[in-house]
Amino acid sequence: NAGVTQTPKFQVLKTGQSMTLQCAQDMNHNSMYWYRQDPGMGLRLIYYSASEGTTDKGEVPNGYNVSRLNKREFSLRLESAAPSQTSVYFCASSELGGADTGELFFGEGSRLTVL
Amino acid sequence: GDSVTQMEGPVTLSEEAFLTINCTYTATGYPSLFWYVQYPGEGLQLLLKATKADDKGSNKGFEATYRKETTSFHLEKGSVQVSDSAVYFCAPNFGNEKLTFGTGTRLTIIP
Repeated sequence: NAGVTQTPKFQVLKTGQSMTLQCAQDMNHNSMYWYRQDPGMGLRLIYYSASEGTTDKGEVPNGYNVSRLNKREFSLRLESAAPSQTSVYFCASSELGGADTGELFFGEGSRLTVL
Repeated sequence: GDSVTQMEGPVTLSEEAFLTINCTYTATGYPSLFWYVQYPGEGLQLLLKATKADDKGSNKGFEATYRKETTSFHLEKGSVQVSDSAVYFCAPNFGNEKLTFGTGTRLTIIP
């Protein structure tokens, strides 16, 4: 009963390094999302994918890229990490149109620190 | 534009106290409204929802009523427990296939 699985859970990077956050869901959901959570700012949407093969920018896409590898997997890449990208990152999934019902299913988060 | 404003925390209450966390929104239409909860070390999970005016969402003793006239969706619980300690997020859906999350309210319940 895994739900949404994110890896890694913790990562420390130096400025300029690259890395990819992996996300996989086993609920056969069509839509997937990447959010970042910062103190006092709630969750902000980075990118989302309404279905396999499509991706769209959210509120804060700069400095990130995404890949919807297949229906299960949605990865987030930081090409050249910056200290401003220090945050907790959450992957979520939902049924098609699930955002209309509000039923997003979240992973446990990935805490990234950029030095 | 569409936006959500949530009561700032942190909020600290004694066990069995009454809880209210305020949430108001500004929207051109009529959003569906949701409360999410994040327990320590976990991801967010849906707590309750209301999709039209005057609807009341409820779960785990929490309630919230969709008030169109005041554009509000305040979260309430009559008697909180230590296990309710968490961060609570108000999250309207303004009709663009994405949720907008409030800033979150950290709740701590003291035994």
